[in-house]
Amino acid sequence: AQSVSQHNHHVILSEAASLELGCNYSYGGTVNLFWYVQYPGQHLQLLLKYFSGDPLVKGIKGFEAEFIKSKFSFNLRKPSVQWSDTAEYFCAAASGGSYIPTFGRGTSLIVHP
Amino acid sequence: SQTIHQWPATLVQPVGSPLSLECTVEGTSNPNLYWYRQAAGRGLQLLFYSVGIGQISSEVPQNLSASRPQDRQFILSSKKLLLSDSGFYLCAWSARANGYTFGSGTRLTVV
Repeated sequence: AQSVSQHNHHVILSEAASLELGCNYSYGGTVNLFWYVQYPGQHLQLLLKYFSGDPLVKGIKGFEAEFIKSKFSFNLRKPSVQWSDTAEYFCAAASGGSYIPTFGRGTSLIVHP
Repeated sequence: SQTIHQWPATLVQPVGSPLSLECTVEGTSNPNLYWYRQAAGRGLQLLFYSVGIGQISSEVPQNLSASRPQDRQFILSSKKLLLSDSGFYLCAWSARANGYTFGSGTRLTVV
């Protein structure tokens, strides 16, 4: 079965620290990849997505993610986090042509000021 | 622009009572529609999806059902709620897998 794994369930950082959240998927063919963020009390929002082309994807709020096909990974990065980045982050994948995304369990990020 | 509306935001229902959660999308036609349940530490679980009017696919067998009576309307229902149906329910739409836009969710508590 298709699956998406997020290795870090809880991450605690201080402001200005660098962030990397891991995401691995199990699809063998073409894949569409997404990162979503859910700020406290708010609904899920799309951070960035990858369909094809440049494997380094830039998203909103200084986030980026790199698609590494050989590693089946789509890790999310930010060079310097802010307190306002405290949120839950979800990785999702859909096989090419599929309408059905599979979500990871999510990573809870807490940034201390 | 496209918008998605989901209501109610919170709901407290007794065990055994019926349920109806509604989701509507504006600004697009023939969207793919989804119902997810979000549980703490367990991510998002896909419950139902629909690629057209009257077309419903269920991902997880359970006490819930879904219907799509109109192109931009997706309804999550139950005839008799169980305690285990408590959770946070999210509706989402997409246009040919081009990213998924989520509603604001409904917090359901079954008592």
